[in-house]
Amino acid sequence: GENVEQHPSTLSVQEGDSAVIKCTYSDSASNYFPWYKQELGKGPQLIIDIRSNVGEKKDQRIAVTLNKTAKHFSLHITETQPEDSAVYFCAPDNYGQNFVFGPGTRLSVLP
Amino acid sequence: EPEVTQTPSHQVTQMGQEVILRCVPISNHLYFYWYRQILGQKVEFLVSFYNNEISEKSEIFDDQFSVERPDGSNFTLKIRSTKLEDSAMYFCASRPHSEAFFGQGTRLTVV
Repeated sequence: GENVEQHPSTLSVQEGDSAVIKCTYSDSASNYFPWYKQELGKGPQLIIDIRSNVGEKKDQRIAVTLNKTAKHFSLHITETQPEDSAVYFCAPDNYGQNFVFGPGTRLSVLP
Repeated sequence: EPEVTQTPSHQVTQMGQEVILRCVPISNHLYFYWYRQILGQKVEFLVSFYNNEISEKSEIFDDQFSVERPDGSNFTLKIRSTKLEDSAMYFCASRPHSEAFFGQGTRLTVV
């Protein structure tokens, strides 16, 4: 089965700084690479995703980069704000199959 | 905006009792999932459901667990004889193809 890791497990940044979280996976058949944000007491919510035919995707302050050869993809958040504080999960998968969540990264944005 | 709804939001049950967790996925979605999250830990896959049958299940999903889609709209998770270690947040998710939409979860407390 898919083995998914995330680094770092916790990350603290000052408001306005950038944050980068890396996800590595083992299944070369994975072709869909989403990032989910989980706020306290809520379910995971998709914030950005990328498909295997694209190397980078950006949506305002959030971007995802993919290196399929090395089997990793990263979440980039620029100009961080306190409301970005949450746990972030990657969940690479092969469309339609179950998707395995990474262990999560707790991001704290300090005012 | 369509959303996945789960009921109840919180369920307290005695060890050994049966519980049924209910989910209403988004209506035109094809794939349905149950995940669980023990407090402060990662989101763990339990089971996926497609075309009215289980498509994949994890080691956690043993004989004590079952899922049903009884009426074409509800998607239920039943735990036959609850154990203390079943205490967790249980999330239902549905997806049309790529992005998964999660419910807000049911917090199950087994006492």
